[in-house]
Amino acid sequence: KAGVTQTPRYLIKTRGQQVTLSCSPISGHRSVSWYQQTPGQGLQFLFEYFSETQRNKGNFPGRFSGRQFSNSRSEMNVSTLELGDSALYLCASSWGDRGYGYTFGSGTRLTVV
Amino acid sequence: AQKVTQAQTEISVVEKEDVTLDCVYETRDTTYYLFWYKQPPSGELVFLIRRNSFDEQNEISGRYSWNFQKSTSSFNFTITASQVVDSAVYFCALTSPLTQGGSEKLVFGKGTKLTVNP
Repeated sequence: KAGVTQTPRYLIKTRGQQVTLSCSPISGHRSVSWYQQTPGQGLQFLFEYFSETQRNKGNFPGRFSGRQFSNSRSEMNVSTLELGDSALYLCASSWGDRGYGYTFGSGTRLTVV
Repeated sequence: AQKVTQAQTEISVVEKEDVTLDCVYETRDTTYYLFWYKQPPSGELVFLIRRNSFDEQNEISGRYSWNFQKSTSSFNFTITASQVVDSAVYFCALTSPLTQGGSEKLVFGKGTKLTVNP
């Protein structure tokens, strides 16, 4: 079966711009979560969407937002980009109610210059 | 608050050596799940194992084995006869959906970078 697909794989943006990242989960999975990975902070939870509703949110500023569509695909948006937003953004999908954990995508590498 | 500690930042071994990656966790929940993920240079997190808090049975999968001890809050990972292809960053993670409104939010350790030299 197809895995978790994230697009694009790489992005270069300028400070102050905004960016939208996309994630297509495994078919049948209803939960999509986003994580930010940086060398300094490691892997940090951004938010989780389950059946189009945000179910959990990490400790990130309001510039970070997301949404989930009826087909479970998800997007995350970062507005007014800062240099510190440069990171690998990982999306993960799961059934969302069985404690089975996540399947991760390959990530989007965002560089802010 | 939940916390996962991987005290070993980097480990370097020679091929065929056995290596153990340590993971210590903190949680007040009685029901929780522990995971190990592998992250090769490509960036994707690859699932290795899931263990629930009520199952302390150790597990072996080929050259991989896991030792879960609730008494010491540890979930260690051993690679036997390591190979160059095992070189990666390994993450231990924890989640407690029952106390997170069903959310399977993962709390990760900082990771251990394993380098296996030929």
